[in-house]
Amino acid sequence: DVKVTQSSRYLVKRTGEKVFLECVQDMDHENMFWYRQDPGLGLRLIYFSYDVKMKEKGDIPEGYSVSREKKERFSLILESASTNQTSMYLCASGLRSSYNEQFFGPGTRLTVL
Amino acid sequence: AQTVTQSQPEMSVQEAETVTLSCTYDTSESDYYLFWYKQPPSRQMILVIRQEAYKQQNATENRFSVNFQKAAKSFSLKISDSQLGDAAMYFCAYRTSGGGADGLTFGKGTHLIIQP
Repeated sequence: DVKVTQSSRYLVKRTGEKVFLECVQDMDHENMFWYRQDPGLGLRLIYFSYDVKMKEKGDIPEGYSVSREKKERFSLILESASTNQTSMYLCASGLRSSYNEQFFGPGTRLTVL
Repeated sequence: AQTVTQSQPEMSVQEAETVTLSCTYDTSESDYYLFWYKQPPSRQMILVIRQEAYKQQNATENRFSVNFQKAAKSFSLKISDSQLGDAAMYFCAYRTSGGGADGLTFGKGTHLIIQP
């Protein structure tokens, strides 16, 4: 079974802190994604990566950056956390073909105080 | 940019009955992929069913089937013989066919309640 793991299920940070959300997949997938999920808004794509050290902006990249130094690991970075970044963050991975499904992690519920 | 609309924020169905969740989308592309994802209360999102736009035949996976109307840009999900385990948030999603590296565009979701 494909497994996508995220470093924390729940995280509480203070405004202005630098926050790292880690995601690891064990199926050698080329693509990895970070989404943000908010009630009534569904999931929105923040960033994605199709290869090591490669990254592309999604629909809402402002206030975020990413890092992919190894194929299996994709990190989301909040350089200076703000209260409007309080949300559920979902990581996903998948094979390169568009038809292939994306496999999701369990999510990280981030609260910024 | 593509958009996906789910017009039913919440749906309720009796156990063992059939329910249909609606999804419409807007795109100028002719080739693309559509997905329905399920997110149970435990939060792990899983794929329910997918459809390739160039295939006219509607996809089916056991009790789950879709009604894909390309001209109308409609992609509804039918769940037959509803079970308590079907209770979840359901998201319709779109993906372009080009490149293979793009993310999914999601609708806002439909919360499905199963009445015992």
